[in-house]
Amino acid sequence: DQQVKQNSPSLSVQEGRISILNCDYTNSMFDYFLWYKKYPAEGPTFLISISSIKDKNEDGRFTVFLNKSAKHLSLHIVPSQPGDSAVYFCAASVRGGTSYGKLTFGQGTILTVHP
Amino acid sequence: GAVVSQHPSRVICKSGTSVKIECRSLDFQATTMFWYRQFPKQSLMLMATSNEGSKATYEQGVEKDKFLINHASLTLSTLTVTSAHPEDSSFYICSALRALAKNIQYFGAGTRLSVL
Repeated sequence: DQQVKQNSPSLSVQEGRISILNCDYTNSMFDYFLWYKKYPAEGPTFLISISSIKDKNEDGRFTVFLNKSAKHLSLHIVPSQPGDSAVYFCAASVRGGTSYGKLTFGQGTILTVHP
Repeated sequence: GAVVSQHPSRVICKSGTSVKIECRSLDFQATTMFWYRQFPKQSLMLMATSNEGSKATYEQGVEKDKFLINHASLTLSTLTVTSAHPEDSSFYICSALRALAKNIQYFGAGTRLSVL
């Protein structure tokens, strides 16, 4: 049961353009969402997060949008840079209770930014 | 800040031996740490939640006696793969929960385990 899905295994973007990474979830109990970036043979690095009480959070070149009714979130990177090339994971959690802190990850999307 | 160190980064061992992986939060205290496993081209699969001073909570399908977890201090959790077999070969990643930082997990660099 894949509760968090990233349906695009890969995305290729030209440097300077916008990268849009998508993520869908099925569990309506999720109330906190995160995006992580991962290079090969390394652990994920936290990028940005959003609480379910918001629909947008921005941090520099990174913006996360949340559409709760559609159970969909997206990560926008603009402008994209070659150094952004990595695997991007979205993750979701239920804050509080016995599930406190546990993350459910999507399958990841490989982003390649071409110079 | 929020640095998590994982050691070793790579280990090769013979079948039947045990391997210990350490996960340390270097600049914050972590009452909760997590252990993940990642197969090639797949997502991170949570194996267990490590709680300081208490028993770890294992996810369904993860053998407790196979993957021993100890979280003896607020900055250290260890995962021991006991009697390792080739099917245990994988990429193991730990994370630490920095509770005061909005429920964000910070990850170690991972350990590549190869069992011959």
